[in-house]
Amino acid sequence: EAQVTQNPRYLITVTGKKLTVTCSQNMNHEYMSWYRQDPGLGLRQIYYSMNVEVTDKGDVPEGYKVSRKEKRNFPLILESPSPNQTSLYFCASSLSFGTGGYEQYFGPGTRLTVT
Amino acid sequence: GENVEQHPSTLSVQEGDSAVIKCTYSDSASNYFPWYKQELGKRPQLIIDIRSNVGEKKDQRIAVTLNKTAKHFSLHITETQPEDSAVYFCAAESYGNKLVFGAGTILRVKS
Repeated sequence: EAQVTQNPRYLITVTGKKLTVTCSQNMNHEYMSWYRQDPGLGLRQIYYSMNVEVTDKGDVPEGYKVSRKEKRNFPLILESPSPNQTSLYFCASSLSFGTGGYEQYFGPGTRLTVT
Repeated sequence: GENVEQHPSTLSVQEGDSAVIKCTYSDSASNYFPWYKQELGKRPQLIIDIRSNVGEKKDQRIAVTLNKTAKHFSLHITETQPEDSAVYFCAAESYGNKLVFGAGTILRVKS
């Protein structure tokens, strides 16, 4: 089954404790992206990757890191989480990007709470 | 960079009525405008999209219109049903390989 998976689905952590949220897709998609969803703010892009070893900042990259060592995986790293990073996080992938649009497929989401 | 504004933030309609959600964007170079539906506790899913060389696109009860001159696009849902209740997001593909989303519209269909 074609899908985007994320782990963990729920996470409660404390300020400053490094964490990683994994994202994997099995559709051979080139483009992958991370978004955070907050009430009243919609979905805001954190980082994106056009292909292996090619990553770039989205609109809200502060406090996050990513890597793309393999085409299928795109982990999101919070090296020192803070309470303002409490949010619902979505990973997404698409076949490519640009030249008139490709559908983005979203993962199930990760609910992160930082105390 | 691109900015997308979406209105209204909440919309209540009676079952069978039509619903219209409007979005404006700032970057005249944007050329792809998808709409995503997010049911409660679920992931966003694409329901319809439109490219800049098309003025209108329809898929059963859902239609999207685009006015490039005015830089706005709209989602139209006819004959609404309770299962249409969800959060709807518009988005615009921005220069720099980014997809910029609106803040979302909560649609409630009352039966």
